[in-house]
Amino acid sequence: EVQLVESGGGLVQPGGSLRLSCVGSEFTFSSYWMTWVRQAPGKGLEWVANIKHDGSEKYYVDSVRGQFTISRDNAKNSLYLQMDSLRAEDTAVYYCARDNGLWFGPYYYYYMDVWGKGTTVTVSS
Amino acid sequence: DIQLTQSPSFVSASVGDRVTITCRASQGISSYLAWYQQKPGKAPKLLIYAASTLQSGVPSRFSGSGSGTEFTLTITSLQPEDFATYYCQQVNSYPRTFGQGTKLEIK
Repeated sequence: EVQLVESGGGLVQPGGSLRLSCVGSEFTFSSYWMTWVRQAPGKGLEWVANIKHDGSEKYYVDSVRGQFTISRDNAKNSLYLQMDSLRAEDTAVYYCARDNGLWFGPYYYYYMDVWGKGTTVTVSS
Repeated sequence: DIQLTQSPSFVSASVGDRVTITCRASQGISSYLAWYQQKPGKAPKLLIYAASTLQSGVPSRFSGSGSGTEFTLTITSLQPEDFATYYCQQVNSYPRTFGQGTKLEIK
């Protein structure tokens, strides 16, 4: 079964750091872009960052740029999110997701078709 | 950034009803839109991509339409398992923003 499993969440004090991991299985991890999405308690989904197959391109939402770093290790089928200088507003469930897409004529349409169950990050003193 | 506004934010309906959710983009995004369903405590699930293409395994009572700035998700003949929160997401440009969500509740 195609699967993504996140880990690394927990309770951290404001200003602290945390590194999230996401391991993929039963698919060729190195062929896909990968994404992190978060959801604050009782709130909607927020796209956080994504990374190209080979790690050569990375994109971030403005609110985390310079604070979070997305990376991957294809040899370990793993995606990471290094989170520094954490603030209370970073409290959320963090999901990793596989970016997929299809060509329709000249156009390539993206979507996230496989999601992990999420890992919870709580920033509090 | 492209803003997505879903309406309504809450909808109450009965089993067997037809429901339509609208997603409006702050600028044209062609058909670069996906819809997701999320149940409490669970990860989102892809329903539709490219505005109108049904993901494999998703029941045919779900359908999507639209292009440019206005999109709709329609669920015909609501089933008990359809009561959830629905999100649209644009994949036209970064950051790949989501709508605020529409919670579909049982009447």
